[in-house]
Amino acid sequence: EVQLVESGGGLVQPGRSLRLSCAASGFIFDDYAMHWVRQGPGKGLEWVSGISWNSATTDYADSVRGRFTISRDNDKNSLYLQMNNVRVEDTALYYCGKDILKLGVVPAAVKDWGQGILVTVSS
Amino acid sequence: SYELTQPPSVSVSPGQTARITCSGDALPKKYAYWYVQKSGRAPVLVIYDDNIRPSGIPERFSGSTSGPVATLTISGAQVEDEGDYFCYSTDSSGDHRVFGGGTKLTVL
Repeated sequence: EVQLVESGGGLVQPGRSLRLSCAASGFIFDDYAMHWVRQGPGKGLEWVSGISWNSATTDYADSVRGRFTISRDNDKNSLYLQMNNVRVEDTALYYCGKDILKLGVVPAAVKDWGQGILVTVSS
Repeated sequence: SYELTQPPSVSVSPGQTARITCSGDALPKKYAYWYVQKSGRAPVLVIYDDNIRPSGIPERFSGSTSGPVATLTISGAQVEDEGDYFCYSTDSSGDHRVFGGGTKLTVL
């Protein structure tokens, strides 16, 4: 069974940094691209970032490009999101997601989701 | 930036067919995916690659695409199908991955 467990969320002040982690189990982690998707309070889903299985390809939503960095450690079965210079509008529940394609060249779409971790940006 | 447009809400009676649309200029060339989110829970994939059901998703869920419009059809909708449905796809270059704004399905 695929399990994705996010951690590292919390309250952070605008302009500061935060690092989210996602621990993966139940599948061969380095066979799949991974994603971060977020959902603001009372809002819809917003794709944030994706990374290919071998870290060769990373991509970001325009809203976070230049501030957020996605990375992965295949030896530790872990996905990360480094969030720098956070803004109030980054407040959201952040989901970690496993891609639908095995060994896809680029991140495609989320098949399996974690339960999410809340990030609140406020002074 | 690229956008996918969904109706805010759809309402049907139990047993009726529910259809939720998603409009986007690149949909003739890019796959559509559909997710359902029930309150307080993580989304679940119900359709991928326009019209393929993942294992475990009931047969009453189907997907189709015609030109710039993707449609999720729930044939014989049940009360337990209520939730927020989101489409997902990319723009024609594949550079921008987006979700539609979501459609609240009510079955009562």
